[in-house]
Amino acid sequence: NAGVMQNPRHLVRRRGQEARLRCSPMKGHSHVYWYRQLPEEGLKFMVYLQKENIIDESGMPKERFSAEFPKEGPSILRIQQVVRGDSAAYFCASSSLVLGGLETQYFGPGTRLLVL
Amino acid sequence: SQKIEQNSEALNIQEGKTATLTCNYTNYSPAYLQWYRQDPGRGPVFLLLIRENEKEKRKERLKVTFDTTLKQSLFHITASQPADSATYLCALGGDSNYQLIWGAGTKLIIKP
Repeated sequence: NAGVMQNPRHLVRRRGQEARLRCSPMKGHSHVYWYRQLPEEGLKFMVYLQKENIIDESGMPKERFSAEFPKEGPSILRIQQVVRGDSAAYFCASSSLVLGGLETQYFGPGTRLLVL
Repeated sequence: SQKIEQNSEALNIQEGKTATLTCNYTNYSPAYLQWYRQDPGRGPVFLLLIRENEKEKRKERLKVTFDTTLKQSLFHITASQPADSATYLCALGGDSNYQLIWGAGTKLIIKP
């Protein structure tokens, strides 16, 4: 039973380019969360999605950032016109209403974004 | 504002001893608290969840306590092993059934 998968694991972009991060939740999970982590800091919630719906995007910057979780395929976190301050590790987590409940989140290995 | 604190200094423990990590919080009344383990270059891994009406939870060599009066949780690893070396994160939940507030983590080093 594959866990949460994220790709790419490492992404290097120049300022002004777009970054696209992908997340495939655990099998049977329909709830996806995106987090951002800076060194020596806690995880910061960005957005919570269900299939085809954004439930809570209160932690995501209003500009340049967007997220989707289509009916088919992985969830995508998209950062347009990246700046150096976007450099961080971005983690995706998934959960199930059945297995462990929404409180128990299972994390992917993360995508480390470096903006040059 | 809500604040969650974990010891930022690394904790060095001799193999075989009990390691105890602390999570303190302020301006918050969580319905539950979770502990995760994070290894370098990897995502957090869920370990234990304890609810506000539970005083203690155990899982194999792990024990978590939750004191809502002191606003503190303690995380214990008994008979510690070098493989237990990692960063341990605590996270509070409650305002919603999904949004967590995360501590920055404590790095635990178990010396053989």
